[in-house]
Amino acid sequence: GENVEQHPSTLSVQEGDSAVIKCTYSDSASNYFPWYKQELGKRPQLIIDIRSNVGEKKDQRIAVTLNKTAKHFSLHITETQPEDSAVYFCAASIRKAEYGGATNKLIFGTGTLLAVQP
Amino acid sequence: KAGVTQTPRYLIKTRGQQVTLSCSPISGHRSVSWYQQTPGQGLQFLFEYFSETQRNKGNFPGRFSGRQFSNSRSEMNVSTLELGDSALYLCASGTGGALSGELFFGEGSRLTVL
Repeated sequence: GENVEQHPSTLSVQEGDSAVIKCTYSDSASNYFPWYKQELGKRPQLIIDIRSNVGEKKDQRIAVTLNKTAKHFSLHITETQPEDSAVYFCAASIRKAEYGGATNKLIFGTGTLLAVQP
Repeated sequence: KAGVTQTPRYLIKTRGQQVTLSCSPISGHRSVSWYQQTPGQGLQFLFEYFSETQRNKGNFPGRFSGRQFSNSRSEMNVSTLELGDSALYLCASGTGGALSGELFFGEGSRLTVL
């Protein structure tokens, strides 16, 4: 399949709290999982990514965890700030086998609107 | 280094018309992907081009087509427009394919179909 499910669709937290967004994917061959942040009226931008050979990756206040057995991965934001308010998209690479090799495409989840209340 | 440029930024069409959107990737990037963004549906993959070849496509009807030129610039075309085609169309460029790392998005072309 080519499905990436993302939950929740909206998330409201108080400034300083943590936020967790979860995604599940269906293709067991998926091996690249980026997260993009899209502020209101702006273009999506990569904030962190993880490949299937690691289970966790951190970058300051954000971290991503990957459970390949369960086919799900999560974004964790600690000590949230108002500027973290945005729509967050997870994505997974979907592999397509074809004669002579394979190609990959990036399939995105439906997005999570995160609102950090000051 | 200039970012990804999409033109036009806004356009209004009526049902049955056709539209062509353009995307100029970051210099040196050979991969261009197109996504349709609508509220509640997220970013839906349309197709990806690499070195003038369509390498992958999503689950959109044949009314949606694209191409890539030798300078890596890409166009997408939607024929026989329907109301449901109203959306923000984003293109993204990269150095390789989906596994190659960061995609750099343009600001999008917002299409309204009346």
